[in-house]
Amino acid sequence: KAGVTQTPRYLIKTRGQQVTLSCSPISGHRSVSWYQQTPGQGLQFLFEYFSETQRNKGNFPGRFSGRQFSNSRSEMNVSTLELGDSALYLCASSLDSPNTGELFFGEGSRLTVL
Amino acid sequence: GNSVTQMEGPVTLSEEAFLTINCTYTATGYPSLFWYVQYPGEGLQLLLKATKADDKGSNKGFEATYRKETTSFHLEKGSVQVSDSAVYFCALSRLNRDDKIIFGKGTRLHILP
Repeated sequence: KAGVTQTPRYLIKTRGQQVTLSCSPISGHRSVSWYQQTPGQGLQFLFEYFSETQRNKGNFPGRFSGRQFSNSRSEMNVSTLELGDSALYLCASSLDSPNTGELFFGEGSRLTVL
Repeated sequence: GNSVTQMEGPVTLSEEAFLTINCTYTATGYPSLFWYVQYPGEGLQLLLKATKADDKGSNKGFEATYRKETTSFHLEKGSVQVSDSAVYFCALSRLNRDDKIIFGKGTRLHILP
């Protein structure tokens, strides 16, 4: 069974631009969570979507947004990019609630903001 | 609030050495506890879990025991290999839809041949 697929794997943007990242969960998984990973802060939770609804949200500014489609695929968008947004963005899927702890992660999208 | 504290890395060991990575937690109620591993260039993958006190999770030679009295979930392996070099994350969750999984900051492990 195919794993979690994230695209693009690498991208470079400049300050002020916006970016959209995509995540295709494992077939049958309805929950998609997004995390930002940086060396200093570790893994920080962005948001979680289930059946096209945002079910949980972390402490990030409104420049970070997401959505989920009817096929469970998810996208996240970051507008007005800042240097500090440079990070590895990880998507994780789970069957239902991510609180069972059994998350399946993609390889991530590495964003560099210049 | 809920939190997870891991020992800071990097941890450098020689092959076949004994490994311990410490993890302590703060949580209300009875959380489930997890260890995830991230190999270079990859996403995280679940290594093992324990859902109640005194449970021992194990996988690939790694073990961790859920100790409620010390609020700990230390990861151990008797004989590490070069292929175990990775970042290890301790995490907790409560079975409540409104709670999110809490991850520690991760511990980088280097195994020297």
